Amino acid sequence: GAVVSQHPSRVICKSGTSVKIECRSLDFQATTMFWYRQFPKQSLMLMATSNEGSKATYEQGVEKDKFLINHASLTLSTLTVTSAHPEDSSFYICSARDLTGSFGNTEAFFGQGTRLTVV
Amino acid sequence: SQQGEEDPQALSIQEGENATMNCSYKTSINNLQWYRQNSGRGLVHLILIRSNEREKHSGRLRVTLDTSKKSSSLLITASRAADTASYFCATRAPEYGNKLVFGAGTILRVKS
Repeated sequence: GAVVSQHPSRVICKSGTSVKIECRSLDFQATTMFWYRQFPKQSLMLMATSNEGSKATYEQGVEKDKFLINHASLTLSTLTVTSAHPEDSSFYICSARDLTGSFGNTEAFFGQGTRLTVV
Repeated sequence: SQQGEEDPQALSIQEGENATMNCSYKTSINNLQWYRQNSGRGLVHLILIRSNEREKHSGRLRVTLDTSKKSSSLLITASRAADTASYFCATRAPEYGNKLVFGAGTILRVKS
């Protein structure tokens, strides 16, 4: 199957600083990528849909100024957590969707996730 | 409220036994997908079943879909310790803008 690479896998930052997480689709071009947040022992909650060349679409309750998303190319989307606070500590996962059908019945590929800890 | 709900929340079985996890959802769907997540890792796609399909197999995995009951089940046969993980169903539905919406997940522990 296709590979979606997410970096870094772990990051610890101080309160008030910003952290950037990258999501790359390595085998296909993704006009749309998705960012999820996952709290311990809970499910994935969609935060936003990242659209190449245009503004991201945020889910209700997600602060767009807090979680900046940039999708500058067909293979790269970035999520920047600005002015991070301890409550932003979480597991963030990106996903890229392949609409070409090149990978059989697998239409969404997920990155390895990023464990963010804000101290 | 969540589109997908799964039961059981947690399941503990012996190696070699079968594991069955269930997923229920609320709206009509285009497809339903099952994913596995090892602790602290990303998601691995297992099976996608479309709304006009009733059953699919992949190796030791069997997925059923009952659209009249709005439910799906994932059966893992002859389980192995390496199957220990969280399993999530996810639906793609017009009512949710065709976004992938995840259920709460089932934590499976296979004891050797």
